[in-house]
Amino acid sequence: AQSVTQLDSHVSVSEGTPVLLRCNYSSSYSPSLFWYVQHPNKGLQLLLKYTSAATLVKGINGFEAEFKKSETSFHLTKPSAHMSDAAEYFCVVSDLDDYKLSFGAGTTVTVRA
Amino acid sequence: SAVISQKPSRDICQRGTSLTIQCQVDSQVTMMFWYRQQPGQSLTLIATANQGSEATYESGFVIDKFPISRPNLTFSTLTVSNMSPEDSSIYLCSVEDGDRASQGSYEQYFGPGTRLTVT
Repeated sequence: AQSVTQLDSHVSVSEGTPVLLRCNYSSSYSPSLFWYVQHPNKGLQLLLKYTSAATLVKGINGFEAEFKKSETSFHLTKPSAHMSDAAEYFCVVSDLDDYKLSFGAGTTVTVRA
Repeated sequence: SAVISQKPSRDICQRGTSLTIQCQVDSQVTMMFWYRQQPGQSLTLIATANQGSEATYESGFVIDKFPISRPNLTFSTLTVSNMSPEDSSIYLCSVEDGDRASQGSYEQYFGPGTRLTVT
């Protein structure tokens, strides 16, 4: 069975400072990992994905994440936060032999001016 | 990437009634999924819908409450039956795109969601 733990329910940063959203996963198979963003009253948008290629994955809007198998982690980072980054972020895991996506509880990001 | 639309975008319904949500995709896809997002919560998979077969429901969800149709490769409906205030949620459909067999390029795309309020 697969599962995801997002270690922070809420992250608050100042505009222009780095953002770190932490995610640990559990998977019985070779996992695929995703980060999705949900802006208020908007749908889910895929930020980036890891599917067994390069462990450092670059996504849209300056976000990137590093897959660390030894630590079962897939933390999301951005070097400089923008006001438009304020949203809900979901870490998601999927196994190759299972179409189901398992969502983390989400991390709410607020950005202070 | 697949483009997904849902109808209605939102609705307010009375308890005891039913609502059917439509999901339309701009390309043919094998797998379609229905999720529920309760207020302030993460997403939970309701069921997987394959064209030409019965939907597969996750634990805690039953066909009588959430009947699903999948008449073709671009369309699906989810009905929320005999609604109660606890059914107030955002309902989202998604599709998988890419080549899972090669493990190199698959991802799920989500529709904009249907925001349901039951009074």
